Amino acid sequence: QSALTQPRSVSGSPGQSVTISCTGTSSDVGGSDYVSWYQQYPGKAPKLVVYDVIKRPSGVPDRFSGSKSGNTASLTISGLQAEDEADYFCCSYTGIYTVFGGGTKLTVL
Amino acid sequence: EVQLVESGGVLVQPGRSLRVSCAASGFTFEDYGMHWVRQAPGKGLEWVAGINWNGGSIGYADSVRGRFTISRDNAQKSLYLQMNSLRVEDTALYYCAKPPGISAAGYYFDNWGQGTLVTVSS
Repeated sequence: QSALTQPRSVSGSPGQSVTISCTGTSSDVGGSDYVSWYQQYPGKAPKLVVYDVIKRPSGVPDRFSGSKSGNTASLTISGLQAEDEADYFCCSYTGIYTVFGGGTKLTVL
Repeated sequence: EVQLVESGGVLVQPGRSLRVSCAASGFTFEDYGMHWVRQAPGKGLEWVAGINWNGGSIGYADSVRGRFTISRDNAQKSLYLQMNSLRVEDTALYYCAKPPGISAAGYYFDNWGQGTLVTVSS
């Protein structure tokens, strides 16, 4: 049950696009249709922004999009806004257990 | 509106036991599995345990298996985590999280509580 690998930080200017990667193995990300992403502000609970690799919950802007290639999943945020500055965590269900990534801090410059 | 409210987190000595609870409202509790996810101070999220709608299927992370027990009371619309033989490394904010269906599978979590802080220290 090793944690998925995410970059510790990424940054971008308002209006730009940023992509956060999440690397696992064929036992988790690579072999799972259940990859999700969570946004977390300091002192707040996580919020689901992408599930089932590519789907968005109601109310989440379409600026947020998910994808997967092999053992790596990605979250892309386009048209970056100041309010997007937060921590982002990926997550994968393996069929037996659930594993999270270490988290990525997104800074909007 | 879905609400999950955790309680029971305190400062406890290593080796002792503690039970934390999660009170659910705003949805049909017995129609969903439930999970515990924790976050150590300044660290990432870690899945702890999950339970299906009637308690018949349960899963644990390797780090807590044999020490922690997840359970639920559908009549009380409550989820519990009994934590025994607590270690310093169990110090974390413990979140109650709701998955999309009745199973214990943690496909994803569409609702989270605000967490209850468990501190293990001598």
